[in-house]
Amino acid sequence: AQSVTQLDSQVPVFEEAPVELRCNYSSSVSVYLFWYVQYPNQGLQLLLKYLSGSTLVKGINGFEAEFNKSQTSFHLRKPSVHISDTAEYFCAVSENNAGNMLTFGGGTRLMVKP
Amino acid sequence: ETGVTQTPRHLVMGMTNKKSLKCEQHLGHNAMYWYKQSAKKPLELMFVYNFKEQTENNSVPSRFSPECPNSSHLFLHLHTLQPEDSALYLCASSQEASGSLNEQFFGPGTRLTVL
Repeated sequence: AQSVTQLDSQVPVFEEAPVELRCNYSSSVSVYLFWYVQYPNQGLQLLLKYLSGSTLVKGINGFEAEFNKSQTSFHLRKPSVHISDTAEYFCAVSENNAGNMLTFGGGTRLMVKP
Repeated sequence: ETGVTQTPRHLVMGMTNKKSLKCEQHLGHNAMYWYKQSAKKPLELMFVYNFKEQTENNSVPSRFSPECPNSSHLFLHLHTLQPEDSALYLCASSQEASGSLNEQFFGPGTRLTVL
């Protein structure tokens, strides 16, 4: 069975600093990988996804993530964060031979300080 | 944003009440989902409907009863809930319930408080 671990529950960072949110997964088959963002009092919004091809995936709002199969990781990065990036970020995985179950990590709260 | 709407946005109910949550998607998708999001817990998948058929029930107590009359609408009927059922209930939809078509679009959620 697939599982997702987000090692950091909270990440404080100053505005304009770089940030990396970590995500590791476990699966016995090939996977699809997603990052979602949740702003306060809202639902989840897709940031980016890896389905196949290039391991470096670019998403919205200047975020990118790199799929590393050997390390079973899909870390999210941004070179310079803004106050408006303050939100909860969720990594999710879906095995490509199963019916649709997305498994979510526990989430990482990014707190950008001025 | 959306493609996926949920009503009501906030709901307060007593343990003996019966209420329903509604979700509607305008994206032409065939799969719809209910999730529960509690404080300090991972997002929990509750139910999945694919082409109006329930394909997943993640050991959800019977006091939660889903209904999917068509591919665009999803309901969650609530009765005799417990205070620990207080949470944000999120609805999502995707093109289909499989693999690469799994990109899910979420509604804003219903914040439920059970007194």
